[in-house]
Amino acid sequence: QITLKESGPTLVKPTQTLTLTCSFSGFSLSTNGVGVGWIRQPPGKALEWLALIYWDDDKRYNPSLERRLTITKDTSKNQVVLAMTNMDPVDTATYYCAHIKSSPFDFWGQGALVTVSS
Amino acid sequence: EIVLTQSPGTLSLSPGERATLSCRASQSVSSIYFAWYQQKPGQAPRLLIYGASNRATGIPDRFSGSGSGTDFTLTISRLEPEDSAVYYCQQYGSSWYTFGQGTNLEIK
Repeated sequence: QITLKESGPTLVKPTQTLTLTCSFSGFSLSTNGVGVGWIRQPPGKALEWLALIYWDDDKRYNPSLERRLTITKDTSKNQVVLAMTNMDPVDTATYYCAHIKSSPFDFWGQGALVTVSS
Repeated sequence: EIVLTQSPGTLSLSPGERATLSCRASQSVSSIYFAWYQQKPGQAPRLLIYGASNRATGIPDRFSGSGSGTDFTLTISRLEPEDSAVYYCQQYGSSWYTFGQGTNLEIK
């Protein structure tokens, strides 16, 4: 049974760096073809893909946000960490992590709401 | 960047009716890398369809996907009240993912 859960601050100030952790179980990030991605959703708006890391440490980023994002994995801890620099109120959103094998995101975490405000 | 445009923005139908949701890509997308998700209020998205036409595990056969190239369709036959949700299309191409803006399906 695959489960994922996001954790991190609920409130960050503008210009700060947001660090979110995705803790998962039921799969290994050392398995061929497996990856974990991050997706966000501002209140009342659509989904936006942020980043993805694969079992072989291949990393992909949304080109429009790439300069602000860093994704890393700790296979031994079953965790993936996303860092986003220079946070702005427009970055207020629910942040999801999700499992991927080949193309679609087939298992999702419950999401973590992050508010950016001074 | 491949832009996905979904139509209609909102769809209001009655139980038992058939819903047809469209997603148009700004350039051709491989069907292998095309998916549909359902999202209910306060919940994470749920994968419905992958590879354009394959139902994910546990998805009722009322849900079906079709299409290729730039035009894809999600069809929900025999609507039930619990199908009320926002539906998103998604593609993976050129090393990044994009989602459509969503179709809000209301069941009267």
